[in-house]
Amino acid sequence: QTVVTQEPSLTVSPGGTVTLTCASSTGAVTSTFYPNWVQQKPGQAPRPLIYSTSDKHSWTPARFSGSLLGGKAALTLSGVQPEDEAEYYCLLYYGSSWVFGGGTKLTVL
Amino acid sequence: EVQLVESGGGLVQPGGSLRLSCAASGFTFSSYWMHWVRQAPGKGLVWVSRINTDGSNTIYADSVKGRFTISRDNAKNTLYLQMNSLRAEDTAVYFCVRDKPIDYWGQGTLVAVSS
Repeated sequence: QTVVTQEPSLTVSPGGTVTLTCASSTGAVTSTFYPNWVQQKPGQAPRPLIYSTSDKHSWTPARFSGSLLGGKAALTLSGVQPEDEAEYYCLLYYGSSWVFGGGTKLTVL
Repeated sequence: EVQLVESGGGLVQPGGSLRLSCAASGFTFSSYWMHWVRQAPGKGLVWVSRINTDGSNTIYADSVKGRFTISRDNAKNTLYLQMNSLRAEDTAVYFCVRDKPIDYWGQGTLVAVSS
């Protein structure tokens, strides 16, 4: 069974920078996993932020960026805003399935 | 405006069946692959299934393989999820999601499996 692992929780100060990562139990994450990142706030549907590793949707704020870092997919928030406090999920493609990570709860404090 | 509206959720007994629908509007439905994703109360997102544009290619999570069937009616702009042999662990909000790339999500419909 494939497992996608994210940090359970992270805390960042307003205006700071934080990087969330997404690891695969099968080995290094590459662009062929088409990493996606979605944001979810309590009581709301998820909102996609990043697709295909680093591509942004038209609504994605410029402070969000995606990359590959040390064999993992990564989501970096630069200049964090209070409204960025949310749960963040990565999603990886495995050919015959997609798998979400367990989510990272980001606290802005 | 792209809209995805799920329906068909409700309370069902273990072993029962339910069919979810997702009505799409604001885009050419037949041109997009589609997914179902679910989220149990207070838990994380779980990918369930994906279908290609004409319905000829489908994939499923191991947890639902053999019990759930994804399908679509491009003439009706509607995505479906037929769920059979339902279990308590299938209790969740079910979202339909547009793909290529994964972008728009519906608001979800709640399925509760309980006796």
